[in-house]
Amino acid sequence: SAVISQKPSRDICQRGTSLTIQCQVDSQVTMMFWYRQQPGQSLTLIATANQGSEATYESGFVIDKFPISRPNLTFSTLTVSNMSPEDSSIYLCSVRGDSDGYTFGSGTRLTVV
Amino acid sequence: AQSVAQPEDQVNVAEGNPLTVKCTYSVSGNPYLFWYVQYPNRGLQFLLKYITGDNLVKGSYGFEAEFNKSQTSFHLKKPSALVSDSALYFCAVRLDTGRRALTFGSGTRLQVQP
Repeated sequence: SAVISQKPSRDICQRGTSLTIQCQVDSQVTMMFWYRQQPGQSLTLIATANQGSEATYESGFVIDKFPISRPNLTFSTLTVSNMSPEDSSIYLCSVRGDSDGYTFGSGTRLTVV
Repeated sequence: AQSVAQPEDQVNVAEGNPLTVKCTYSVSGNPYLFWYVQYPNRGLQFLLKYITGDNLVKGSYGFEAEFNKSQTSFHLKKPSALVSDSALYFCAVRLDTGRRALTFGSGTRLQVQP
């Protein structure tokens, strides 16, 4: 299965600023997904990022707030823009590999103060 | 639409006893079902999946799950719990067609007492 390197692992940010999270995969994958896990909650899908096309956002998430880049088949970034304390969460990337195996990054724990 | 329910926020079991973590799903089609475990400050680790075939699926760390189509359930089981199994467990589903992203249940915290 694919191995994902996600950075940063954690950050504390000032409100109103932006943070970009990176995910690097050790193999080429078509589909990448970005999830948010709010404190004590389950994972909620933010968007699906396919290389060569615009990301598809889920209801409640917009591109201006969570712009995503997918420049190639091994890399993607998620930016959390104009942050507020409500954005404090764990953000995870995920890829769909062979045989419908899904691998997850180790997560980025974001605290907005 | 697809959804997953984990009816128990927490399950407590004594070490050495069998454990069950419940999951039911709702999809309009054939489901692909998954179990993941999350340890503190760690990402999600894959345990097992059901795509097709044998309803009893065996996975990592001695866990298994049984797909029951009539009851739309996919409960996670282990014959003998270990203290190290204490973690947060998530059930997830997706359809065999269409949207490829997983939909997760609310999670169940498993606490295994020594």
